[in-house]
Amino acid sequence: EAQVTQNPRYLITVTGKKLTVTCSQNMNHEYMSWYRQDPGLGLRQIYYSMNVEVTDKGDVPEGYKVSRKEKRNFPLILESPSPNQTSLYFCASSLLRTGGPEKLFFGSGTQLSVL
Amino acid sequence: AQKVTQAQTEISVVEKEDVTLDCVYETRDTTYYLFWYKQPPSGELVFLIRRNSFDEQNEISGRYSWNFQKSTSSFNFTITASQVVDSAVYFCALTSGSRLTFGEGTQLTVNP
Repeated sequence: EAQVTQNPRYLITVTGKKLTVTCSQNMNHEYMSWYRQDPGLGLRQIYYSMNVEVTDKGDVPEGYKVSRKEKRNFPLILESPSPNQTSLYFCASSLLRTGGPEKLFFGSGTQLSVL
Repeated sequence: AQKVTQAQTEISVVEKEDVTLDCVYETRDTTYYLFWYKQPPSGELVFLIRRNSFDEQNEISGRYSWNFQKSTSSFNFTITASQVVDSAVYFCALTSGSRLTFGEGTQLTVNP
């Protein structure tokens, strides 16, 4: 089954404790990206990647890191989480065409709480 | 910089009414793509449509239709004869190469 798998589904942590949210896709998609969803702000792109070893900042990259060592995986790293990073996070992937990403396939989301 | 605005935060209708969700965008690029996604109460995000900037033809898919007008930088979404199952948050989005920008979303509630 074609899917984007995110883990964990829920995560509670404390300020400053490094964490990683994993994201994996099995559709051989070139494009992968991370978003955070906050009430009233919609979805905001954190980082995106157009291929292996190619990553770039989205609209809200501060406090986050990503890596794309393999085509299928795109982990999101919070080296020193702070309470303002409490949010619902989504990973997504898609084929890449001229002009940008096609239809995005989203993971189920990770609800992160930073105390 | 690119921007997407969905001015309607919440809309409430009664079943079988038609409803239009507004989306206004800003970009300096001449080539770009517009999207609509649906997020039902279960939380998953579901793709509805992708439209490129050179195709201004309106599109219809069942009860859903989209009206793209470059002159007003709008890409509005209409649901005809709404149903309770249409209740969801709807997001409009824009990309012009790589970065993807979403609007704030419109919460649609369809009451029986």
